[in-house]
Amino acid sequence: SQTIHQWPATLVQPVGSPLSLECTVEGTSNPNLYWYRQAAGRGLQLLFYSVGIGQISSEVPQNLSASRPQDRQFILSSKKLLLSDSGFYLCAWSLHSEPYEQYFGPGTRLTVT
Amino acid sequence: GQNIDQPTEMTATEGAIVQINCTYQTSGFNGLFWYQQHAGEAPTFLSYNVLDGLEEKGRFSSFLSRSKGYSYLLLKELQMKDSASYLCAVRDNYGQNFVFGPGTRLSVLP
Repeated sequence: SQTIHQWPATLVQPVGSPLSLECTVEGTSNPNLYWYRQAAGRGLQLLFYSVGIGQISSEVPQNLSASRPQDRQFILSSKKLLLSDSGFYLCAWSLHSEPYEQYFGPGTRLTVT
Repeated sequence: GQNIDQPTEMTATEGAIVQINCTYQTSGFNGLFWYQQHAGEAPTFLSYNVLDGLEEKGRFSSFLSRSKGYSYLLLKELQMKDSASYLCAVRDNYGQNFVFGPGTRLSVLP
């Protein structure tokens, strides 16, 4: 069966510090991978998605970036965090076929102070 | 632009039926999804509609009308564990772009 891991579970970082969140998927090959952010009491905002190694699509221009160095690894980064970067970050995967339902990792709760 | 609307909160009684509505206006349409999200947890997939009509999955059913840009999630025989947020999401025609609504927080009361 497939499993998706995210770490860390919680993170408190000062404004201006760098960020690196990691997501890995087990039990499937060549998945679509996604990064979402959820602000408190809000819906999910798609940040990045990837359909293959080295292929990253950005949906929202901001100070975040994503990379996919390996087939089942997806990394979200920032060089300098802003207060507005606080939120619940979720990684998800889907197959390369209809209906593309997504399976989410446990999430990382980031607080920028 | 992309816009999905859902009621912010709903309350229902254990054992009852509740309908959660979702209206969408997106640049394209290639499927509508419903997810359940318990507080502090990740969303879990509930249902998918791409053609008009009703899809039934146990106590949960989802309906879609593409001409009206409208969907609903129907929950029957409500249980306390159904207290959660329910997220409506649309996949548009452009690759893997998914647009999520703000979610509806459902409280099930005894």
